[in-house]
Amino acid sequence: GAVVSQHPSWVICKSGTSVKIECRSLDFQATTMFWYRQFPKQSLMLMATSNEGSKATYEQGVEKDKFLINHASLTLSTLTVTSAHPEDSSFYICSAPLAGGNNEQFFGPGTRLTVL
Amino acid sequence: AQSVTQLGSHVSVSEGALVLLRCNYSSSVPPYLFWYVQYPNQGLQLLLKYTSAATLVKGINGFEAEFKKSETSFHLTKPSAHMSDAAEYFCAVSFNFGNEKLTFGTGTRLTIIP
Repeated sequence: GAVVSQHPSWVICKSGTSVKIECRSLDFQATTMFWYRQFPKQSLMLMATSNEGSKATYEQGVEKDKFLINHASLTLSTLTVTSAHPEDSSFYICSAPLAGGNNEQFFGPGTRLTVL
Repeated sequence: AQSVTQLGSHVSVSEGALVLLRCNYSSSVPPYLFWYVQYPNQGLQLLLKYTSAATLVKGINGFEAEFKKSETSFHLTKPSAHMSDAAEYFCAVSFNFGNEKLTFGTGTRLTIIP
């Protein structure tokens, strides 16, 4: 099956700093990728849709200036959490759909962000 | 708006017993339905999917689910639970083939009792 990787798998940063998370489709091209966040013992909440070559589409309530998304190529999307605060601590997961795959998405292993 | 409801945030079953995890959706158009499993601190793994073909869908690890339009349900079952089935299970739905956005249910944590 298709493989999606994320880097780093976990990161600890100080409040006020920025953190970049990478999402890569390893064996297929993805014009669209999705970014989710998951708080402990909760479901996944879609943050934004990353589109290769154009601006990301953010879900209602997600600050686009705080969560910067760049879809630089057909295999890479990045999420940058700017001026991170403790309330941004969460599990961030990306996914990418396989073209023609009946809406099946392949998920990365997730990135655990802890902001001190 | 599309939505998914998972009844029961926690389900416990004995090893070897039937597993039944419930999922209901709301939609005015045919949905695409998915079940994912998540182990601690990991991403999601697809168990099975319904894409308007056979209503009874078989997935990995012995799981299956039946799409029932009249009941707007897509419940996940496994005849005999194994200890390795302990995990978080999410039902998800999408509605437009050209829009792969998924809406997730709140999840069900499955515990297996030895």
